[in-house]
Amino acid sequence: DAGVIQSPRHEVTEMGQEVTLRCKPISGHNSLFWYRQTMMRGLELLIYFNNNVPIDDSGMPEDRFSAKMPNASFSTLKIQPSEPRDSAVYFCASSSDRPTSGGAYNEQFFGPGTRLTVL
Amino acid sequence: EDKVVQSPLSLVVHEGDTVTLNCSYEVTNFRSLLWYKQEKKAPTFLFMLTSSGIEKKSGRLSSILDKKELFSILNITATQTGDSAIYLCAVSDGNTGKLIFGQGTTLQVKP
Repeated sequence: DAGVIQSPRHEVTEMGQEVTLRCKPISGHNSLFWYRQTMMRGLELLIYFNNNVPIDDSGMPEDRFSAKMPNASFSTLKIQPSEPRDSAVYFCASSSDRPTSGGAYNEQFFGPGTRLTVL
Repeated sequence: EDKVVQSPLSLVVHEGDTVTLNCSYEVTNFRSLLWYKQEKKAPTFLFMLTSSGIEKKSGRLSSILDKKELFSILNITATQTGDSAIYLCAVSDGNTGKLIFGQGTTLQVKP
């Protein structure tokens, strides 16, 4: 399995531009999470989906942020318009509600992250 | 409000030392506690703990959970420079599977 796939890996944009981050979860996982990590605030959960349905978006900082999961294998996080304070590493993670053969469930597997810089 | 608190926030040791990282939590609906290691990239999974008093071990790393006192520790013996990383503790909500992360402990192991 390729693991969680995120694109792009790096994004540099100017203030006011729209940014779209993409995530492909691990096949068979039914929960998907978007996180943001900064030095100041650490790792913050922005939103998560279960079975493609948004369950909790209370971490989404403001209306400029939106996320979608049109199917089980793809999700996007969009920022429009972007601002310099949005600069961070954005991680996508996925997990399964069902126990694995090793007995673990709810272990989240993280993608490599997208480093976003807004100038 | 659910929260996870790690201590210390940062730690500098020398190779060969033993370190203990702490994680305490207040979570309404506890399912499990997870430890992750984060180097330069994404967090990678170390341990998942669900039962009190049962130590999980992987090489020089070990962890244990106390569900009565609501804390966990992560021990690293005979530290190496490759252990330098941020160690994240997270608690999984039993209803949602949502992870609540602590601030992390930044460990630096000097040669």
